[in-house]
This record gives sequence, structure tokens and C-alpha cells, in this order.
Amino acid sequence: KQEVTQIPAALSVPEGENLVLNCSFTDSAIYNLQWFRQDPGKGLTSLLLIQSSQREQTSGRLNASLDKSSGRSTLYIAASQPGDSATYLCAVTLYNQGGKLIFGQGTELSVKP
Amino acid sequence: GAVVSQHPSRVICKSGTSVKIECRSLDFQATTMFWYRQFPKQSLMLMATSNEGSKATYEQGVEKDKFLINHASLTLSTLTVTSAHPEDSSFYICSARAMTGVHGNTIYFGEGSWLTVV
Repeated sequence: KQEVTQIPAALSVPEGENLVLNCSFTDSAIYNLQWFRQDPGKGLTSLLLIQSSQREQTSGRLNASLDKSSGRSTLYIAASQPGDSATYLCAVTLYNQGGKLIFGQGTELSVKP
Repeated sequence: GAVVSQHPSRVICKSGTSVKIECRSLDFQATTMFWYRQFPKQSLMLMATSNEGSKATYEQGVEKDKFLINHASLTLSTLTVTSAHPEDSSFYICSARAMTGVHGNTIYFGEGSWLTVV
């Protein structure tokens, strides 16, 4: 059974700091991995999607890496801003599951001004 | 881009009543939609996979008679929480898979629905 774990559960950093969020998964037979942002009481915003054949994806200050063989992904946020404060979720899509996502527990990020 | 719309965004209902949540794909057809539930401070847990024209597939531990799912068209799936209890209060969110076209094989999430049972 696929399990997705995110570390740390919560993180507080001063504005301007670079930071890394970690995600690990137990079964490397994934179709892709996504990072989402969730603001309190809101839905999900897709940040980056990495296909299983890819190593990383970048969007602005965000960079996500994928090491499928070791079952790990990281989300790197450069020059963090207070507006980055949110919960960040990673999720894997399994092969032949029609688009079912397995989510990690999330990392609650707080960026202090 | 593609949009998945959920309605209502917030609903309060009395214990023992039923409430329906709609999930619509606005500009693509979705043969498959997924329903997730998120309790406070927890992650999203898949409840069921909704297939157009057939019965939904429920995850282990999810009561199919309590959480009725209907996927009658290629753009609409509904989740009905029957005989709601306060412990059903949660954030319910759907996703839809675009099978073809420019959105092919992409998953889109709705905005979510907050259910409070009093």
C-alpha cells in the first residue's frame, strides 16, 4: 500500500530564507508526483507536477525534484515571503489507478516578516 | 484553463438531514471524478472514485450507503451525505480527470465544500 510522508509537519522561517520541504513515498511505481498549496479553509492550488520520467520541475521561486528510486521528492522555495505561508501537500498518482492521488499529511509553512 | 466547480462552498445542516454536494467540470468531460475528505489539520483522504454511468468505487472504511455518489453525466458528480452527524463535519473536495483534448489526462480539483453538521 502506497504511503506518503511529509517532513516536517510544520516549519516557521524568517522572510527571505531559502527552505526545503520533504516528501517520501513507499512505492516507487508512480505515474507522477505533484506539489500543492492549500491556504486555510481553501481548496488546492497545483504548484508543480513531475512526471515519473522527470527529475525536476521549476516555476519561479519553486523547484521540485524527484528521485523515484529512493522514493523522495523535495520542494525548494527560494527567498521565502510571508505570502508563501500555507500548507504544502505532496501527492503521488499511481499507475493504472485512473488518476487517484495519495496525499501526504502536509507541511504547514509560516514565513515571518 | 479547465475549471472544476463545487457547490455549495459552505453548508450547515441539522443532524439527521441529508446534504448534496455537486462537482462539475465546466469545460471538459470527465468520465472519472474523485471525492476526498479532509478533517482539520489532516491531509486529504480519498473517499471514492466516481465513474460516469456506473457505480462508484469506495475506499475501505467509507460507508457507501451513507455517502451516496452519483455520476449521471460526463460533467457532473454528486456526493450526498445521508443522515448527517456532527462527526461528518469536514472539508469535502472533488477532482476530475480530463480524458481527452488539450486537458487530456490532467487532474483538476474543485474549490472544496465545507460541511458543518449541527
